Amino acid sequence: EVQLVESGGGLVKPGGSLRLSCAASGFTFSSYNMNWVRQAPGKGLEWVSSITSGSIYMYYADSVRGRFTISRDDAQNSLFLQMNSLRAEDTALYYCARQFGGYLNWGQGTLVTVSP
Amino acid sequence: EIVLTQSPGTLSLSPGERATLSCRASQSVTSNYLAWYQQKPGQAPRLLIYGASSGATGIPDRFSGSGSGTDFTLTISRLEPEDFAVYYCQQYGSSPYTFGQGTKLEIK
Repeated sequence: EVQLVESGGGLVKPGGSLRLSCAASGFTFSSYNMNWVRQAPGKGLEWVSSITSGSIYMYYADSVRGRFTISRDDAQNSLFLQMNSLRAEDTALYYCARQFGGYLNWGQGTLVTVSP
Repeated sequence: EIVLTQSPGTLSLSPGERATLSCRASQSVTSNYLAWYQQKPGQAPRLLIYGASSGATGIPDRFSGSGSGTDFTLTISRLEPEDFAVYYCQQYGSSPYTFGQGTKLEIK
């Protein structure tokens, strides 16, 4: 069974940093592109970042480029999102998702709250 | 950036009726890499359709996708009570991999 479990969310002040993790199991992690998607409270889905298998390419939404860094550790079956210079508008539930013809598998998300 | 516009914003229908949801792209979607997701309150999204018209594993065949280029449609042939939710389209052909704003399907 495919499982994706996010962690690392929490309350942080504007300008602060967080590192999100996503632990994957039930599939050959290294073979798949992986993604981060966020959802602000009561709002729609927003794509944040993607990383290809082998970490060949990384892509970012304009809203986070230069502040967020996506990475993966295939030996540990883990996906990461380093978030710096956080802003109030980054407050959201952050999901990791496995790509297989669209985003087939999703975690339950980890909540990031940016507030003074 | 490809902007996806979904319509209508809210669709009010009764169980047993047919639902037609639209997703229009501001420019052609590369290789028709267009997906549809269903999201219920408190749950993660669920992939329904990928590649514009291919059903994801385990998705009931009352869900179907069609379209190409800039105009795409999700059709639910006969609504079941569990189908009332929010639906999103997403293009994953060219970065940034944008989502539409969603269509809320509510019980009439």
